[in-house]
Amino acid sequence: RKEVEQDPGPFNVPEGATVAFNCTYSNSASQSFFWYRQDCRKEPKLLMSVYSSGNEDGRFTAQLNRASQYISLLIRDSKLSDSATYLCVDKSRAAGNKLTFGGGTRVLVKP
Amino acid sequence: DVKVTQSSRYLVKRTGEKVFLECVQDMDHENMFWYRQDPGLGLRLIYFSYDVKMKEKGDIPEGYSVSREKKERFSLILESASTNQTSMYLCASSYGQVYGYTFGSGTRLTVV
Repeated sequence: RKEVEQDPGPFNVPEGATVAFNCTYSNSASQSFFWYRQDCRKEPKLLMSVYSSGNEDGRFTAQLNRASQYISLLIRDSKLSDSATYLCVDKSRAAGNKLTFGGGTRVLVKP
Repeated sequence: DVKVTQSSRYLVKRTGEKVFLECVQDMDHENMFWYRQDPGLGLRLIYFSYDVKMKEKGDIPEGYSVSREKKERFSLILESASTNQTSMYLCASSYGQVYGYTFGSGTRLTVV
């Protein structure tokens, strides 16, 4: 089983709609997570951290469910510019500072 | 903003060549990383470094080596390039244990 798993999508989303997707992680001791955004042929960029209490940043909301070992990302009022691949990241390695990336979920927002 | 600069955006090399990929960061970060990204396989860690002259193997170190002689520079070396090393190579840096990574813009390497 992969350490971090994501539905690759694509999620086809009408402009203005809400989209949500999850990421499951295998290490029950994991405590820190991030969502990264990656545009086509560009580098990943940090979107937001995921706190145990949840985290909201504008139209984006991230949640952590420790019991079921998944994190989620919800995008409200989707914009065309939200089209990207969203990478789920687990920072749990005992050695510290190494991140484990999921394969990414592709989101396509259409007019 | 932290800037992570990779020396080349695109590279084409021949099988058997020794290839150097350079990465420089300008924010005094201790931690630096090299990943490769391939369709269907995601980002895979090759090597990382927590300090000058220090290096540790990641998940796929075979066929690669690294050098970190200065804090701001982390070099990835392909000792003898092979076609299966054709990939997008991403360098990243981070500060401490709390924060995420900042990535460079990537080097798309093609080995022919």
